[in-house]
Amino acid sequence: GAGVSQTPSNKVTEKGKYVELRCDPISGHTALYWYRQSLGQGPEFLIYFQGTGAADDSGLPNDRFFAVRPEGSVSTLKIQRTERGDSAVYLCASSHNPSDYSNTGELFFGEGSRLTVL
Amino acid sequence: QKEVEQNSGPLSVPEGAIASLNCTYSDRGSQSFFWYRQYSGKSPELIMFIYSNGDKEDGRFTAQLNKASQYVSLLIRDSQPSDSATYLCAVDITGANSKLTFGKGITLSVRP
Repeated sequence: GAGVSQTPSNKVTEKGKYVELRCDPISGHTALYWYRQSLGQGPEFLIYFQGTGAADDSGLPNDRFFAVRPEGSVSTLKIQRTERGDSAVYLCASSHNPSDYSNTGELFFGEGSRLTVL
Repeated sequence: QKEVEQNSGPLSVPEGAIASLNCTYSDRGSQSFFWYRQYSGKSPELIMFIYSNGDKEDGRFTAQLNKASQYVSLLIRDSQPSDSATYLCAVDITGANSKLTFGKGITLSVRP
């Protein structure tokens, strides 16, 4: 597609429920990132995929959060036993291979999935 | 100390003025520095990146980097109402273009 696509754009759930957020990156981008942005804050890094593997998951806040990218394209962020503090906009971004010398490091963000946990 | 700090703002300037946005970072090994613009309710988009000490100009935008002082700034000349947005400073502390650390952003308002 032309840009990074995220679904759903809005998700309202109840505390304790399970949610999945999907990201379809720009075609040809091997790197995919998940960030979380709370109101009035900058995006906070969660996890980075290079291809199918999670190269850096140091930003995942706890084991309720998990992400996969089984075929190296679409990624799903999974949150178990949601808590009110999980409410935020979850941003997905993609980029060219970070080790590509021509890569400027620019991240291309999707419009985000706004998660509200009641 | 937060890894990337920006003045809390908001910042208000009249149309046509120069807006100066500042950012400091704590990791002396940081290699790459970015300024993203985020309109309300939208996703961040890249405006400038800078890797080397000094100034980098692109149209009305100038990024300035001083690694010794761990300071990066963005100047917007001839500010326009359409520049009104939140500006996010981001730093790649890994040196591998694999993870950006963002500041909390500063909201700029350009008064017509």
